[in-house]
Order: sequence, then structure tokens, then C-alpha cells
Amino acid sequence: ETGVTQTPRHLVMGMTNKKSLKCEQHLGHNAMYWYKQSAKKPLELMFVYNFKEQTENNSVPSRFSPECPNSSHLFLHLHTLQPEDSALYLCASSQGGRDQETQYFGPGTRLLVL
Amino acid sequence: GQNIDQPTEMTATEGAIVQINCTYQTSGFNGLFWYQQHAGEAPTFLSYNVLDGLEEKGRFSSFLSRSKGYSYLLLKELQMKDSASYLCAVMDSNYQLIWGAGTKLIIKP
Repeated sequence: ETGVTQTPRHLVMGMTNKKSLKCEQHLGHNAMYWYKQSAKKPLELMFVYNFKEQTENNSVPSRFSPECPNSSHLFLHLHTLQPEDSALYLCASSQGGRDQETQYFGPGTRLLVL
Repeated sequence: GQNIDQPTEMTATEGAIVQINCTYQTSGFNGLFWYQQHAGEAPTFLSYNVLDGLEEKGRFSSFLSRSKGYSYLLLKELQMKDSASYLCAVMDSNYQLIWGAGTKLIIKP
């Protein structure tokens, strides 16, 4: 149990569907992250929220839309995705300060876009 | 550009020692992390180095040389459960983590 939970764990969707991924952290952290993990590639940072404010958006296509209603919850809204968006989507959280920003990860959502 | 290099895959024998290397070129340096990720699971934090030298934590040790842009993770007394991917990540001057692609470690009996 890492203190970061993600739902659903697996998701299959068509290119015209709309779905949302949910992340919740129980660690009292103030920063939350969305990453994309594709096979044999480095983790790709998508979005960062610090104290509920979005501080990073690494040129992510607009078909991915994040939402952070409070420091414990993070959503990733998906619409009109492409097959190349199939990947493992990981959520992480950290304390929020800059000293030793150890990130703690959830188990991920395995997404398949047909 | 920023770059983290680590071997794609390594194989070792149960009970032995293995060293996983990581070299990096980043804009600034605010520490290096090692994570372990079992297949289908979350990456879990193993170690953090910000000063040169060796940090030991049980069977796992991590070494850093900032002048050489180099780190290694040393795993002793290997167990079958150590079969996993090991991810190296460097925090750059903007406090953003730059990740390597991971090293898949296969342990054989």
C-alpha cells in the first residue's frame, strides 16, 4: 500500500469515447503529477499540480485535460484519444516543497485505445 | 538536451551481486533517485543521492559521482523477488525529474 490509489486499473476505450482517470493520495502531500509510461521509454511527465495550481504542462495534447479539485484528488479527463495514447498512466504525489521531492506513485491505469 | 542512460536489460543469478549503472547529462542537478518497479505495479522509491559517495540501505546501495555524471545501484544477495525494472531519475535545476527508460533485471535460480 503506497498511499496513492488510482481507478480504474484497466480501461479500454474507443477513439470517440470520453472517460476520466482518478487519483487519490492519503499522504497529506501538496503536489500531484500525471505521467505516461510507454514500453521501454522513460516516464513522460504530463502535468504537475502544486497546492492545486497547475505548474507544468509539458506540451500535452488538448485531448488530455487535468483537474485538481483539492490537494488529495487528481483527475485526467480523456476524449477523442488516438491508438498511440495507449499506455500506463501513473499518478504520483510529493510533499510539495523543494527539499528532496521524493515522489510516491499509484499503481497506474493501463489504457488501451481502439 | 537532457539525457539519462541505463542498460535496457541485465541478468543475474540468485544470491549474487549486480550493479546497475546510470549516466546522466542534465541542466543542473538537485539529486538522483532510484526506483524499483515490478511488472504491472507502481514504481517504489529505493534511494536518493545528492552528495558524492555511497549510501547503503540493507541489501541495496547507491553511489553517486557528480563530476562524472554517474550513479550505480548495487544489489547484494539477490533474491528472485528482486526481478523488476530499476528506474534512474535526476532532478534538474527546475526541480523536475528526468527519467531513464529503466533497466529490466532478470534473476535466474
